Amino acid sequence: SYVLTQPPSVSVAPGQTAKMTCGGHNIGGKSVHWYQQRPGQAPVLVVFDDRDRPSGIPERFSGSNSGNTATLTISRVEAGDEADYYCQVWDSVSDDYVFGSGTKVTVL
Amino acid sequence: QVQLVESGGGVGQPGRSLRLPCKASGFTFRNYVLHWVRQAPGKGLEWVSSISPDGNKKFFALFVRGRFTISRDNSNDTLFLHMNNLRPEDTAIYYCARDGDIYGSGGYFDYWGQGTLVTVSS
Repeated sequence: SYVLTQPPSVSVAPGQTAKMTCGGHNIGGKSVHWYQQRPGQAPVLVVFDDRDRPSGIPERFSGSNSGNTATLTISRVEAGDEADYYCQVWDSVSDDYVFGSGTKVTVL
Repeated sequence: QVQLVESGGGVGQPGRSLRLPCKASGFTFRNYVLHWVRQAPGKGLEWVSSISPDGNKKFFALFVRGRFTISRDNSNDTLFLHMNNLRPEDTAIYYCARDGDIYGSGGYFDYWGQGTLVTVSS
């Protein structure tokens, strides 16, 4: 089945930019979606279809996708951005919704 | 506003069954694909099952195929996950989620419930 690879952790100082990757074979040909999960809470969709934001999600969250890597970028990081972030795709070969293992973002 | 509220979690013995309801409000329930996603303690997210708006098409992750089933009651805006032959590895928070695309599958989950914890233990 399709595999998505995410780094376990990213650390960033407040006000700086956090970038986290999501690797997969030819992932650029798929639509990638990103979720934020704060401790003890349900996931929240922050980016869908590679780069679109749901209403209410700040412009500081942006996404890109090309080749074998998708990227979620958080600009001007705030303390409230500290969370686990998961990428996700739908794999048409297996008819599965696939999640990456998640990246824990720590705000220093 | 869109709300999804799961219930029915608790402790179940291995081999037993549990049914998880998810009550929806704030949107036209019968128009959306709905999903179950789970998260084992301290682990990542894992898709479990999906059901079409009319309930006629159902999809399952390989690890629950033949043990779990999914259904919906469009007259009462409620989604169900029927869990049979429970195993300790089914211990997780179970979330219901709405598909991001009306009528069809957008391939992502735009609203999530708060989850219900299922613990499988003797």
